[in-house]
Amino acid sequence: DADVTQTPRNRITKTGKRIMLECSQTKGHDRMYWYRQDPGLGLRLIYYSFDVKDINKGEISDGYSVSRQAQAKFSLSLESAIPNQTALYFCATSTAGAETQYFGPGTRLLVL
Amino acid sequence: GDSVTQMEGPVTLSEEAFLTINCTYTATGYPSLFWYVQYPGEGLQLLLKATKADDKGSNKGFEATYRKETTSFHLEKGSVQVSDSAVYFCALRGAGSYQLTFGKGTKLSVIP
Repeated sequence: DADVTQTPRNRITKTGKRIMLECSQTKGHDRMYWYRQDPGLGLRLIYYSFDVKDINKGEISDGYSVSRQAQAKFSLSLESAIPNQTALYFCATSTAGAETQYFGPGTRLLVL
Repeated sequence: GDSVTQMEGPVTLSEEAFLTINCTYTATGYPSLFWYVQYPGEGLQLLLKATKADDKGSNKGFEATYRKETTSFHLEKGSVQVSDSAVYFCALRGAGSYQLTFGKGTKLSVIP
């Protein structure tokens, strides 16, 4: 079983809808991250969390919110989806002080 | 702020050819440097890393050397295989920072 899982893997939604992307991990890591990937732009950090009570904005947090329901779960919400939020979204985890982040398989989101 | 610049793709090589993907960075202090690989339909996986000047990271036949004097971390492989076809991302983590800064990615296609 994968250590970092994301659901759904693919999602099509309409402008103005609220949607939630979920991330779960079995690695026991305390830190979790949400990134978006756009063609030709690499990955950009949306939000990150160092533990259950800690939420921090990343580079591009506008239009997004997150919830850290438990150490193993970190959800990303689009309150009112817009077409330029069409992208590939990745969740990642790491331990405090560790160099390496471990990525989930991604969620491909299309906003019409 | 920190930034990573890597060569534009796509790169197409024949099997057994030599590979170089250039990566240069801008950062204060001594960042840690990474190469991540993204195979089709999958999330990012750490390929190799280097945490201080002159360190060489290596994995699966790939190598990269941390060059402080030229602020570079070029990825090389002596003989590529079809299975190396993927998108490669150079990234850095600033000294004392949690955050990864990614380059835009370079798509490699290896043909038989």
